Amino acid sequence: SQELEQSPQSLIVQEGKNLTINCTSSKTLYGLYWYKQKYGEGLIFLMMLQKGGEEKSHEKITAKLDEKKQQSSLHITASQPSHAGIYLCGADLTGTASKLTFGTGTRLQVTL
Amino acid sequence: DADVTQTPRNRITKTGKRIMLECSQTKGHDRMYWYRQDPGLGLQLIYYSFDVKDINKGEISDGYSVSRQAQAKFSLSLESAIPNQTALYFCATSDASRDRGNTGELFFGEGSRLTVL
Repeated sequence: SQELEQSPQSLIVQEGKNLTINCTSSKTLYGLYWYKQKYGEGLIFLMMLQKGGEEKSHEKITAKLDEKKQQSSLHITASQPSHAGIYLCGADLTGTASKLTFGTGTRLQVTL
Repeated sequence: DADVTQTPRNRITKTGKRIMLECSQTKGHDRMYWYRQDPGLGLQLIYYSFDVKDINKGEISDGYSVSRQAQAKFSLSLESAIPNQTALYFCATSDASRDRGNTGELFFGEGSRLTVL
């Protein structure tokens, strides 16, 4: 079974709407990384969370790590076509920061 | 120029052929990784290396081998390619030095799309 589950797998939203993507782990998250991928291209780092209850924002994207450190959410406010792509969460599940385990990704489409 | 460069970007090959994907980086990072991406499966770790003398297997190393020729170069080989190795392959690097305040994030190349017929 997947150690890191993302939901939903895909999402279609109308421009201007808000949306949330979740990343749930079966293990403690020692570090949680959010990336965005344009279709068929490389991954762009968005933000990293480490402490339970931590919240970070960049432009219209906000990510939170829950207190128990086993789930993170990524929230986009007033979505735009430029937000379209695949969002992946990656996690340090060992506490050693030696490697990241990734979720299955969420494909986001933003319609006009 | 990109900090993490992968070659080739696209490759079509036949079953049984040997194929090598190369990765070079100018970030000065010690750690390098090879991941594979399949639709619906996210990224899966194939191999990773913490320095020239260190090679570690990831989740799906069977059918693959790697070589860390220098701090800046990490290549992935498929000795005898098979169709289910058709995927998008990513090289990534990270800085192990926490004392410089880095976040431990991975820096990815643009990917190498491999098709095995």
